[in-house]
Amino acid sequence: EAQVTQNPRYLITVTGKKLTVTCSQNMNHEYMSWYRQDPGLGLRQIYYSMNVEVTDKGDVPEGYKVSRKEKRNFPLILESPSPNQTSLYFCASSSRDSGLRKLFFGSGTQLSVL
Amino acid sequence: DAKTTQPPSMDCAEGRAANLPCNHSTISGNEYVYWYRQIHSQGPQYIIHGLKNNETNEMASLIITEDRKSSTLILPHATLRDTAVYYCIVRYNFNKFYFGSGTKLNVKP
Repeated sequence: EAQVTQNPRYLITVTGKKLTVTCSQNMNHEYMSWYRQDPGLGLRQIYYSMNVEVTDKGDVPEGYKVSRKEKRNFPLILESPSPNQTSLYFCASSSRDSGLRKLFFGSGTQLSVL
Repeated sequence: DAKTTQPPSMDCAEGRAANLPCNHSTISGNEYVYWYRQIHSQGPQYIIHGLKNNETNEMASLIITEDRKSSTLILPHATLRDTAVYYCIVRYNFNKFYFGSGTKLNVKP
């Protein structure tokens, strides 16, 4: 089954403790992206990647890092989380052949930073 | 940057057509308009996309104005399961997608 898998689904952590949210897709998609969703603000793009070793900033990249060492994986790294990074996070992927016309989303990761 | 504007919420009676408007007056000439929906806090799901012509698929129809500054998503026979937040999305700066705040559609019995 074609899917985007995020882990964990829920995460509670404390300020300053490094964490990684994983994202994996099994559709051989070139494009992958991370979003955060906060009440009343819709989804805002954090980082995206057009292919292995190619990443770029979205609209709200501060406090986040990403890496794309393999085509299927695109982890989101918070090296020193702060309470304002408490949010619902989504990973998405898409195919360049489709012109990025259809994004496939993961189920989300609810992060709470205390 | 390209942006979208949608009403924050709309109501629709079950079985009736739901018409969800979107303003995207800054869209560039070769960019598509996409519609997704999000049920509760699940990942958004693709509905439809279009460039200039009206489009229809098994889920919905998309009407784009001739000047491409606005569009309307039509759910022809809304059901309770269509209650969700609907996002009108534009792509900008090649690989970025702007979601906006969306429209919360409440389908009522």
